[in-house]
Amino acid sequence: QSALTQAPSASGSPGQSVTISCTGTSSDVGGYNYVSWYQQYPGKAPKLVISEVNKRPSGVPDRFSGSKSGNTASLTVSGLQPEDEADYYCSSFAGSNNLIFGGGTKLTVL
Amino acid sequence: EVQVVESGGGLVQPGRSLRLSCSASGFIFGDFAMTWLRQAPGRGLEWVGWIRSKSYGATAEYVASVKGRFIISRDDSKNIAYLQMNSLQTEDTAVYYCARGRTKVDYWGQGTLVTVSS
Repeated sequence: QSALTQAPSASGSPGQSVTISCTGTSSDVGGYNYVSWYQQYPGKAPKLVISEVNKRPSGVPDRFSGSKSGNTASLTVSGLQPEDEADYYCSSFAGSNNLIFGGGTKLTVL
Repeated sequence: EVQVVESGGGLVQPGRSLRLSCSASGFIFGDFAMTWLRQAPGRGLEWVGWIRSKSYGATAEYVASVKGRFIISRDDSKNIAYLQMNSLQTEDTAVYYCARGRTKVDYWGQGTLVTVSS
């Protein structure tokens, strides 16, 4: 199973919105509503910010939202804050014996 | 409060074995699948494998690169999941994370570093 495709970097100014995309296939992103997004700061463990395409866990700001169209999932961060600067990874369930990740996107808040 | 804590990492020579432990609390451990993931230095996240709950047979699945070398098990009486790593290779060097769930991998531990080097 190949990795999901993410752009290596994204950026935006405080207050702006940024969308990070994650492209897979009909065997993973397109086939299941089990796309998750993780935020990771350097040297820290990943933190779930979106699960099941568009569900925000308790405590995650509503500035974070997720969506999916066909084989591409997206994470949108609205009203960018300095603390949003981090690496973001998408993942997708890909059948009974597989979970695959994107290569990660480094989000810079200018 | 849900907590997941990994332990057992360290420096190991190529070809040797190491067992990682994942201690969980704050939820009914036996009701959840548990997943192991890893992150090589400066690289992205990689799924290593998972073990289903006993209700689903406590069966495990693995990424192709570790199949036949790594074994995931669980002891629901102790709320612990294990990752037995055999025939370790230098490319297994990574921070290993344990996390709750399978289709929704939500709570992660802080990770434990495994370095495979002679």
